Amino acid sequence: QKEVEQNSGPLSVPEGAIASLNCTYSDRGSQSFFWYRQYSGKSPELIMFIYSNGDKEDGRFTAQLNKASQYVSLLIRDSQPSDSATYLCAVGPGGSYIPTFGRGTSLIVHP
Amino acid sequence: NAGVTQTPKFQVLKTGQSMTLQCAQDMNHNSMYWYRQDPGMGLRLIYYSASEGTTDKGEVPNGYNVSRLNKREFSLRLESAAPSQTSVYFCASSDYSRSGRISGELFFGEGSRLTVL
Repeated sequence: QKEVEQNSGPLSVPEGAIASLNCTYSDRGSQSFFWYRQYSGKSPELIMFIYSNGDKEDGRFTAQLNKASQYVSLLIRDSQPSDSATYLCAVGPGGSYIPTFGRGTSLIVHP
Repeated sequence: NAGVTQTPKFQVLKTGQSMTLQCAQDMNHNSMYWYRQDPGMGLRLIYYSASEGTTDKGEVPNGYNVSRLNKREFSLRLESAAPSQTSVYFCASSDYSRSGRISGELFFGEGSRLTVL
């Protein structure tokens, strides 16, 4: 049973702070890792993906992957109220890239 | 560019009724998916089609059937709806990665909100 675990939150941070979202996975053979953002009542949209150990930066977002510890995280710098959403972690197993989704972490950025 | 289009956006059914959710993508993607999303449960894969002409079961296929009509269209059918199928349904598509495998970079439709009474 492949599992992807996220703290459901909500994670509440003040505007301008760094939000740190974490995700652990059970399948050591996982090859690809994704972060999707989902606003309330909307569909998920891909914001980051990472395939190799280490950090990957894109604007205010940084994805961090540690395969040895089986966790992936998403850092959002200078958090804005518009970042308030649910963030879904998705992990793709080796041999097939159909991702398994975690249940999501709700992020609230308050002014 | 419409991306992934789902119809209908809202539907109310009575137990035992049947219906089909339609999905079409205009990105020339090879792979298409149907997910359901329930509160606190995340996204669960119902069925997927890796390429035109193929379909496979996902995590929660019971009570559903699918048809990959052509490369653009992938429909989901509920033959006899049950209250447990009340959910938000998302269709998604993706292309192959450079390695030739299914890419996990999914593009989602706006969702179809289904209520079964």
